[in-house]
Amino acid sequence: DQQVKQNSPSLSVQEGRISILNCDYTNSMFDYFLWYKKYPAEGPTFLISISSIKDKNEDGRFTVFLNKSAKHLSLHIVPSQPGDSAVYFCAAVSPSGSARQLTFGSGTQLTVLP
Amino acid sequence: DAGITQSPRHKVTETGTPVTLRCHQTENHRYMYWYRQDPGHGLRLIHYSYGVKDTDKGEVSDGYSVSRSKTEDFLLTLESATSSQTSVYFCAISLSPTGAGANVLTFGAGSRLTVL
Repeated sequence: DQQVKQNSPSLSVQEGRISILNCDYTNSMFDYFLWYKKYPAEGPTFLISISSIKDKNEDGRFTVFLNKSAKHLSLHIVPSQPGDSAVYFCAAVSPSGSARQLTFGSGTQLTVLP
Repeated sequence: DAGITQSPRHKVTETGTPVTLRCHQTENHRYMYWYRQDPGHGLRLIHYSYGVKDTDKGEVSDGYSVSRSKTEDFLLTLESATSSQTSVYFCAISLSPTGAGANVLTFGAGSRLTVL
């Protein structure tokens, strides 16, 4: 049973427009959420995070929104650039345990068309 | 790069053979993790370590063992590889996941394993 879901395997967006990537979760105990970006043949790289006590966090072109009541978060990229084409993973942090493990979604392939 | 090296980067092996993947870090981070990435599943935690000789199981640990004899090295072993273990394996490190704040992992470049 996946606790973190990304229901859209792929998304195509025109350069300069907004990209919206979505993520749903089931465990209300998650206390942080992160987004990672992954290019082919490379490891995932950290993009942005948000605490469960916030509803928005912004870093340049990237903004993450959290709706706790809906157990939903989204990543907005504005404006989208061709270099943003990658697989995006959302991840949630479990508050319990010594390692505060991350649970990842299955990823969304974003393609930004020039 | 954050100083994480995975080896080998690519390996093809046959069913039933043992395989060891190595993760080496130069960051002196206490926590190290092994994940596998498969289509439709994202990244799933296999094992993690919270110090030398201190390891614990993750979500998909069956068929895998790990060892950490030095802070900088974390080994993942498949005692008898099966085709279902064909995957891309990522090592990750974390400075200190306990306490407040997001547990930001830094990942290696990955090791692609094919079991025929």
